[in-house]
Amino acid sequence: GIQVEQSPPDLILQEGANSTLRCNFSDSVNNLQWFHQNPWGQLINLFYIPSGTKQNGRLSATTVATERYSLLYISSSQTTDSGVYFCAALFSGNTPLVFGKGTRLSVIA
Amino acid sequence: DAMVIQNPRYQVTQFGKPVTLSCSQTLNHNVMYWYQQKSSQAPKLLFHYYDKDFNNEADTPDNFQSRRPNTSFCFLDIRSPGLGDAAMYLCATRGWGDGTEAFFGQGTRLTVV
Repeated sequence: GIQVEQSPPDLILQEGANSTLRCNFSDSVNNLQWFHQNPWGQLINLFYIPSGTKQNGRLSATTVATERYSLLYISSSQTTDSGVYFCAALFSGNTPLVFGKGTRLSVIA
Repeated sequence: DAMVIQNPRYQVTQFGKPVTLSCSQTLNHNVMYWYQQKSSQAPKLLFHYYDKDFNNEADTPDNFQSRRPNTSFCFLDIRSPGLGDAAMYLCATRGWGDGTEAFFGQGTRLTVV
């Protein structure tokens, strides 16, 4: 069936370190999004990236659609980067957005 | 200029007392979703609308209902909340078409006492 898998499930970083979060998906996608869930529970849009590479400040993302994966890079991590990062995919037609289980990131000072 | 607004942000309800959560959007998006998220879990889809076309997930309990009176508003009704229904409820919208971006509201955190 349709699946979105994220790794690692948990990640602890020292402030200033870099990290890579991975999202694998089971079929071709029309939409791939990365979200950061803030401490209040809101899902904040980071990237809308069905293919290619995008950058926004210290964050960047790459989706290789033909190989069915996406990567989120966080450079020079800060304590405010802590939280859960989700990727979510829209597979085809009018299917709903399917979420991975998330990566819980803790950045310590 | 919030685009997807959920009310209330926090809701406390009594066991068995009906409760309604609301979602409104200023994006004029055709597609709307309701997700339930429990602690340390991924969001779980309850319902979605493609315009007025309603889609119910197979494992959504009958206790949960939804209404969409117009494009801008969508409601989640929980007829008889149980303790297991305590969760964050997330509303999202996106435009018509396969490749459009989804946007989420701030969520409503429901507590059942």
